[in-house]
Amino acid sequence: GEDVEQSLFLSVREGDSSVINCTYTDSSSTYLYWYKQEPGAGLQLLTYIFSNMDMKQDQRLTVLLNKKDKHLSLRIADTQTGDSAIYFCAERAGSARQLTFGSGTQLTVLP
Amino acid sequence: DTGVSQNPRHKITKRGQNVTFRCDPISEHNRLYWYRQTLGQGPEFLTYFQNEAQLEKSRLLSDRFSAERPKGSFSTLEIQRTEQGDSAMYLCASSRGGGQVETQYFGPGTRLLVL
Repeated sequence: GEDVEQSLFLSVREGDSSVINCTYTDSSSTYLYWYKQEPGAGLQLLTYIFSNMDMKQDQRLTVLLNKKDKHLSLRIADTQTGDSAIYFCAERAGSARQLTFGSGTQLTVLP
Repeated sequence: DTGVSQNPRHKITKRGQNVTFRCDPISEHNRLYWYRQTLGQGPEFLTYFQNEAQLEKSRLLSDRFSAERPKGSFSTLEIQRTEQGDSAMYLCASSRGGGQVETQYFGPGTRLLVL
């Protein structure tokens, strides 16, 4: 079955880059997503990457995919205090419609 | 684009009572999903609809849970005889199916507390 894992916590200084990592197990994953969740709120879609790509850049966000190692990362450049939130990695495997989420990484941005 | 809306945002109930939540998806989206999120975890899939048809249900969706989407627009999720273990955030998401990329947009969630 699918399993998505993330490290639980990350702290960075304002202005530095943040790198949030994720590993997944299902080799049939087609799309991989990053969502952001602020306290008490729903999930905000940040970006996604198709499994035949290895990189995608969207403004301050860079997604890297290593399909061989089943490793996904999200880099946030020039991290701001407003980036403090929980970041979830999710996969959509094969022909499935639902997403399988990791447990989330709590990003804390220090002034 | 008004986004996905969910009502109520918070619900406190006593064990054994029934509760019903509503989700209004983005208007042109034909797919609608329900997820459950407990503290410190990512969302877990419960069920999904394409138009009015319920196409998949997770093993997490016990007999006490039922979901409907009668006209292919809004959806309701009912929990009968609530238990303390049902306390969680219930999230709804919608998407426009048919394209190569399917992105799910989430509502703000309904937080349920069962006493």
